[in-house]
Amino acid sequence: GAGVSQSPRYKVTKRGQDVALRCDPISGHVSLYWYRQALGQGPEFLTYFNYEAQQDKSGLPNDRFSAERPEGSISTLTIQRTEQRDSAMYRCASSLAETGGWYEKLFFGSGTQLSVL
Amino acid sequence: TQLLEQSPQFLSIQEGENLTVYCNSSSVFSSLQWYRQEPGEGPVLLVTVVTGGEVKKLKRLTFQFGDARKDSSLHITAAQPGDTGLYLCAGAGAGSYQLTFGKGTKLSVIP
Repeated sequence: GAGVSQSPRYKVTKRGQDVALRCDPISGHVSLYWYRQALGQGPEFLTYFNYEAQQDKSGLPNDRFSAERPEGSISTLTIQRTEQRDSAMYRCASSLAETGGWYEKLFFGSGTQLSVL
Repeated sequence: TQLLEQSPQFLSIQEGENLTVYCNSSSVFSSLQWYRQEPGEGPVLLVTVVTGGEVKKLKRLTFQFGDARKDSSLHITAAQPGDTGLYLCAGAGAGSYQLTFGKGTKLSVIP
């Protein structure tokens, strides 16, 4: 596609349920990032993939959060046993560069708005 | 932890006015980026500055990176309603994968 695609656009779930959020990066983009953005705030780093390798997961809040990118393209962010505090906009971003760093141009998706009731 | 503070948090001005928003940190960044985000959309990169003292111009927008690479400013000349949005600065440390974002400045330009 032309841009980073995320699905679903909105996800409402009950506390305690597991959710899986999908990111389809721009074709050919090697680097993939997950960010979380609260309303009116800047994005907060969660995790980073270089191809299929998860290079940095230091931003994941706790062990209920996990992410994978098994074939180096589509990525899934999974939240187990969701809690109300997990409610936020989850954004994926991709870039062409093979290594993270200051020169990267990130392209962000429109995000998945997660609401945990 | 590297933090970026943006000011002002909110700014409402009349069309045609000039404005400056600021991004400050106590940490040194290898590069700093400015993004604009519209409601319901992801941030869109405007510019990357990498050299202390660097000034970049993008039409009516002027970006400056501080000499010590700890701060940056965005100046908009003759603001237009289309400039309305959330302006985010984001810094990257040397060799880091992580972009640290500020909380943003929400700009409203009134026709």
